[in-house]
Amino acid sequence: DAGVTQSPTHLIKTRGQQVTLRCSPKSGHDTVSWYQQALGQGPQFIFQYYEEEERQRGNFPDRFSGHQFPNYSSELNVNALLLGDSALYLCASSLGPSGQPQHFGDGTRLSIL
Amino acid sequence: GENVEQHPSTLSVQEGDSAVIKCTYSDSASNYFPWYKQELGKRPQLIIDIRSNVGEKKDQRIAVTLNKTAKHFSLHITETQPEDSAVYFCAASLTSGTYKYIFGTGTRLKVLA
Repeated sequence: DAGVTQSPTHLIKTRGQQVTLRCSPKSGHDTVSWYQQALGQGPQFIFQYYEEEERQRGNFPDRFSGHQFPNYSSELNVNALLLGDSALYLCASSLGPSGQPQHFGDGTRLSIL
Repeated sequence: GENVEQHPSTLSVQEGDSAVIKCTYSDSASNYFPWYKQELGKRPQLIIDIRSNVGEKKDQRIAVTLNKTAKHFSLHITETQPEDSAVYFCAASLTSGTYKYIFGTGTRLKVLA
């Protein structure tokens, strides 16, 4: 039973660039949520995708956008990268928006130089 | 706004002793409370969860208690072992309307052999 998989594992970018992170949900799950985890902090909710639409959004600027594909996989896009965007980006999947618990992937470590 | 406070930020215990981590949430409509364990460089893994219609839940050496009136919930680990060393996060969520998790800031638990 495949768990949540994310790619890439690590990424280094410079300020102003754009980045795309990818997530495949756990087998049988149809909902993907994205979180940002700064060093030493708890994960912060970015947004949730279900039925290929953004259903919920946290307090993140429009530079953060996403997409969900028909196979339930998802992408997180960040434009105009800032130093403060350096963090671990976690993807979590569930069965339905209200499905609990959410299962997390290993994350993508994004470093901005 | 929505907030989860978690204490302590670090906790050192001797092997075999008990550990208690406490969280307080602000949104009285929260009704689902998962606890995640995150080892260095690894994904957050669910270790136990509780819903608001239950006051206590136990799974072997791990237990969680919930006081809805005080908006307070706690994680109890008994007979701690070195492999329990990790960062533990509490979270609060709703099961209707908004499903995002609001995480605490984490507790670094060190079990000393």
